[in-house]
Amino acid sequence: EAEVAQSPRYKITEKSQAVAFWCDPISGHATLYWYRQILGQGPELLVQFQDESVVDDSQLPKDRFSAERLKGVDSTLKIQPAELGDSAMYLCASSLFSSYNSPLHFGNGTRLTVT
Amino acid sequence: AQTVTQSQPEMSVQEAETVTLSCTYDTSESDYYLFWYKQPPSRQMILVIRQEAYKQQNATENRFSVNFQKAAKSFSLKISDSQLGDAAMYFCAYRTLNEKLTFGTGTRLTIIP
Repeated sequence: EAEVAQSPRYKITEKSQAVAFWCDPISGHATLYWYRQILGQGPELLVQFQDESVVDDSQLPKDRFSAERLKGVDSTLKIQPAELGDSAMYLCASSLFSSYNSPLHFGNGTRLTVT
Repeated sequence: AQTVTQSQPEMSVQEAETVTLSCTYDTSESDYYLFWYKQPPSRQMILVIRQEAYKQQNATENRFSVNFQKAAKSFSLKISDSQLGDAAMYFCAYRTLNEKLTFGTGTRLTIIP
């Protein structure tokens, strides 16, 4: 069964450094999501792409976070500079359509630790 | 704002027994979807079951079923014949036509052999 690929699986970085995460959605999925999951909480949406366009980045801290999906396929989420409070699991998900009944398929996530 | 409440941070059940996980939500919309996702330790989150708000019949997927009470805004998950592989965090979530998918805080389910 096709899966959403994410890398790296784990990342440790020092405060003020830059860090980047990569996601490759299921082939043919037009909608891609980045979620942040703080330990003990449910995932929260950071950014949603429809093809290469951002359709929702209202919860993305734009002073330090950026996301791109240049060719409408894979995507990169960047944090610069990283802060201690950014330690979390970063989940990528994709869906065939953006509609509310189209289920999301998640990757394994990248666990970020900022020291 | 959309809210999803899972009032049970942790639950445990004996293997082969039945367990019910609770979820309530708050919305003024009439058209929406409800979901239960499972997140095993160090593994990806997967969809367990989903329910359309307009359907009165409760969804069922093998050993997993829901009790959807629209008027009460309640959406509980029942797991029958619990197995060791059911151990995971379970997240309730919902999404309306014009809003993003919103998750609850999760319930950690432990299966006792």
